[in-house]
Parts: sequence; structure tokens; C-alpha cells
Amino acid sequence: ELKVEQNPLFLSMQEGKNYTIYCNYSTTSDRLYWYRQDPGKSLESLFVLLSNGAVKQEGRLMASLDTKARLSTLHITAAVHDLSATYFCAVAQGGSEKLVFGKGMKLTVNP
Amino acid sequence: NAGVTQTPKFQVLKTGQSMTLQCAQDMNHEYMSWYRQDPGMGLRLIHYSVGAGITDQGEVPNGYNVSRSTTEDFPLRLLSAAPSQTSVYFCASSLTTGRTFPTDTQYFGPGTRLTVL
Repeated sequence: ELKVEQNPLFLSMQEGKNYTIYCNYSTTSDRLYWYRQDPGKSLESLFVLLSNGAVKQEGRLMASLDTKARLSTLHITAAVHDLSATYFCAVAQGGSEKLVFGKGMKLTVNP
Repeated sequence: NAGVTQTPKFQVLKTGQSMTLQCAQDMNHEYMSWYRQDPGMGLRLIHYSVGAGITDQGEVPNGYNVSRSTTEDFPLRLLSAAPSQTSVYFCASSLTTGRTFPTDTQYFGPGTRLTVL
């Protein structure tokens, strides 16, 4: 059974700082997604990572994938208040259409 | 395009009542799915569909039924509501199934907040 773990689950950081959040998964998968959710809102797709060593960047966020370690990281560079949100990773169950989500990481960026 | 729409936005039910949550998309997407989101639990897949007439169970299907008679619509039926089904429900769709074109983005609807008393 595929399990997806995110850590930390809560993060409070100051503007201008850097930080990395982690997403571990327990079984082999061929794709991993990162989503953002603002309070009371729906989910917005950030990145799709497909292969070992894949790196995607958008603004102050950079995501990478290590399929051998079953680990994805989301690196935040020079955080700004607008990045405050909950970030989810989701992993495709091997050979199926099912996505398993992590519990989400609530990020608060303080001025 | 309206994208993925869900109705109603809010609903309160009594235990034992039935209802249907509506989901529609106007993007001719092949893949549609339903999730529930509970505090501290992330999103959990209830049912999904890879095309009209084809549905399958997700992680937490008990107490829910789905059907997909058209490409556009994917309603979720609660047969006999229970307090444990109090949650926020999201419908999502993508152009193709993830295995066909893995880079296809899933678009999420705005959600339905359901309370069962």
C-alpha cells in the first residue's frame, strides 16, 4: 500500500529565508505532483515530476525528485508572504490512475 | 471555459438522508475524480473515472456511488449520509489519464462543504 509522508507538517518562517520541505513515499511510482491550496480555496497544480533527477522551478519554488530514495523536495528561496499556503505532494500508485496525497504542509511566512 | 464546477457549495444533511453532489467540466476531459478533504488528512480519493461509462473505486469508496454517463458530468451520490461523511469534497479532472500523458494537470473544482448532523 502506497503511503506518502510530508514533513514538516507546519512551518513558520520569516520573509527572505530559505527552506526545504520533504515528501517521502513508500513504493515505486512513475509520477509525483505538488499542489498549493490557499485557505478555504481549491487546489492549484504547481509541478509534475516524472523521472529521477527531475527538477522544476517556478518563481521562488523549486521541486526535485529522487526516485531511488523515493523522495521529493520543495525548496523555497527568499520566502515572501504570498507563499503562505498549504502545500501537498501526491504520488501516483504504480500502474494505476490513483493518486495518494500527503497530509499537507502548512506554510506561514511572516514579515 | 468554466473549468470544473461543483454544486452546491454548502450543504447540511441529517443522518440517513441521501443527496447528490454535482460535478461538471467543459474541457472535454477524459479523467475525472472525487476526493474528500478532512483536517489533518490531506485529500483521499473516493472514486474516479477514466471515461464515460467507466468508473472505479479509490481509497475510501464506502458510502458513495458514482456514475459517468457523459464526458462532462461525474455526480457523487451519498446513499445514507452519516456524520463521518462531514467533509469538504473536491472534484477534479484532467485531459487524459495520468498514464497516457503524465504531465497533464488535474484541475480541481471549488469544493462542496458538507455537514451531516
